[in-house]
Amino acid sequence: KQEVTQIPAALSVPEGENLVLNCSFTDSAIYNLQWFRQDPGKGLTSLLLIQSSQREQTSGRLNASLDKSSGRSTLYIAASQPGDSATYLCAVKGKLQFGAGTQVVVTP
Amino acid sequence: DVKVTQSSRYLVKRTGEKVFLECVQDMDHENMFWYRQDPGLGLRLIYFSYDVKMKEKGDIPEGYSVSREKKERFSLILESASTNQTSMYLCASSSRDRGRGEKLFFGSGTQLSVL
Repeated sequence: KQEVTQIPAALSVPEGENLVLNCSFTDSAIYNLQWFRQDPGKGLTSLLLIQSSQREQTSGRLNASLDKSSGRSTLYIAASQPGDSATYLCAVKGKLQFGAGTQVVVTP
Repeated sequence: DVKVTQSSRYLVKRTGEKVFLECVQDMDHENMFWYRQDPGLGLRLIYFSYDVKMKEKGDIPEGYSVSREKKERFSLILESASTNQTSMYLCASSSRDRGRGEKLFFGSGTQLSVL
């Protein structure tokens, strides 16, 4: 059974610092991996989708990498802002499995 | 952009009531999903559907049923609501077209309280 782990569970950084969020999975036979953002009491907003054949995806200040062989994906957020404060979740698709998320606080 | 609309943001019901949660998507997606999200337990799949009138049980289907009579609409039904069904309910949809990557889109969620 696929297990998806996100460490750390919570992270606090000062504004301007780069954020590095990790997602690990146990079964490398994945179809894609998707990163989401969730604000308190809201639904999930898709940030980036990486297909299994891709190594990375970029959108603005966000960059996500995928290394299937080591079972890892990393989400980089450059020059963090207070508005980046949220919970970030990764989801791995073979059978779709979500990580528990990393709660991020960016302090002004 | 894809829109997944859940009919209610907040809902308060009494124990034993029959509850309907509605979800509509506007991008002709084949796949639709219902999740519940609880603190410390993460997202758990209740039911999903790959086509009209098709449904498959997820990880926690007990106490729930679903209906998909039209492609754009997927309903979650709590036959007799109980307090342990108090939760945030999230609907999602995706295309089965591999060219579109099967990207998953979520609604804004329904916070259900059962008293």
